[in-house]
Amino acid sequence: SQQGEEDPQALSIQEGENATMNCSYKTSINNLQWYRQNSGRGLVHLILIRSNEREKHSGRLRVTLDTSKKSSSLLITASRAADTASYFCATGSEKLVFGKGTKLTVNP
Amino acid sequence: AAGVIQSPRHLIKEKRETATLKCYPIPRHDTVYWYQQGPGQDPQFLISFYEKMQSDKGSIPDRFSAQQFSDYHSELNMSSLELGDSALYFCASSSRGYTFGSGTRLTVV
Repeated sequence: SQQGEEDPQALSIQEGENATMNCSYKTSINNLQWYRQNSGRGLVHLILIRSNEREKHSGRLRVTLDTSKKSSSLLITASRAADTASYFCATGSEKLVFGKGTKLTVNP
Repeated sequence: AAGVIQSPRHLIKEKRETATLKCYPIPRHDTVYWYQQGPGQDPQFLISFYEKMQSDKGSIPDRFSAQQFSDYHSELNMSSLELGDSALYFCASSSRGYTFGSGTRLTVV
């Protein structure tokens, strides 16, 4: 991947716990997006954070962006079993470059 | 609201056969993108079209070709299929934001 690594590659937590996923990228960006993918299904857009933003919230999602470190994090609070999915970060204004993804398992 | 429609959802082909994947973008979206996602991998950009003209090209094998038609739907044609072509193929369309289709799962046996 041209994007860099996401960590962790896999994360298993209990319902109600918070899940934090990290993403690093290599090039300068205008924005960074996070996507969710249920097993073998399509990519669902979660949130977009612009390069001039440091933090953004959407419901139980909190995204941070540190352009000096070329990194972003996605925090899911009060996780639910239905949050079980793979989560990818992506950069690019036209074609998207994806990170490797974090496979999150939320156990009931 | 209408989404990006891909067909077929699943496709099984034998080695050396040809496959055609179709994508119907959201109406009035002017750009279509194709991505390939191998098992356990992140999606990789293949090719894009803007107003029916190829606008960008990624790591797309020469055996693959794509086009966008006058009604803005796009087709990805894959010839001389190899086992390694087995993957999820996503189409996305955009105007001001991206919307992905549900993908076509291609299995080459």
